[in-house]
Amino acid sequence: AQSVAQPEDQVNVAEGNPLTVKCTYSVSGNPYLFWYVQYPNRGLQFLLKYITGDNLVKGSYGFEAEFNKSQTSFHLKKPSALVSDSALYFCAVRAPPGTTDSWGKLQFGAGTQVVVTP
Amino acid sequence: DSGVTQTPKHLITATGQRVTLRCSPRSGDLSVYWYQQSLDQGLQFLIQYYNGEERAKGNILERFSAQQFPDLHSELNLSSLELGDSALYFCASSPSLAGGPQDTQYFGPGTRLTVL
Repeated sequence: AQSVAQPEDQVNVAEGNPLTVKCTYSVSGNPYLFWYVQYPNRGLQFLLKYITGDNLVKGSYGFEAEFNKSQTSFHLKKPSALVSDSALYFCAVRAPPGTTDSWGKLQFGAGTQVVVTP
Repeated sequence: DSGVTQTPKHLITATGQRVTLRCSPRSGDLSVYWYQQSLDQGLQFLIQYYNGEERAKGNILERFSAQQFPDLHSELNLSSLELGDSALYFCASSPSLAGGPQDTQYFGPGTRLTVL
């Protein structure tokens, strides 16, 4: 069975400082990994994904994520946080085609609330 | 704007009632997914349809059902509602079935269901 863990319920950072949101996963085979962001009263917005290739993935709004296979992690990063980055961030995993859960469903972490203060 | 639309935005109803949530996928997408977001359970996959056929089921209660119509819009039907069914229900769509490398799910704004 696949699972995702986001160890921090909340991350607080000052505007202009680097932001990191942690995610670890457990899945059979090579995972497909995703980050989504949810602003208040809005749906989930896709930020980026890792499928294969370069371990550093660049996404929307200046975010990037680093895939680390040995540590089974996929941490989200932003070099300089903005107040507008304050939102709920979700890491998700999807089993690749050909595995048991290959129908595309996303398994989400519990979410990490990011608070960026001016 | 993801291109996925959901109606209604809010729904308030009483226990024991039945409601229908509607989702229109992005143009060209054939797969529709339903997710439930609640405080105690987080974001959970409910069910997937592809081109009109059910393809995967998650933790969906027997009181819940869904369908996808020929024009690819989907409806999630929730019956015999209980207080615990209060949640945000999301629909997502993606182009294909098998979740390949290019297959990203884009989410609608959600329907907030409140059961009183």
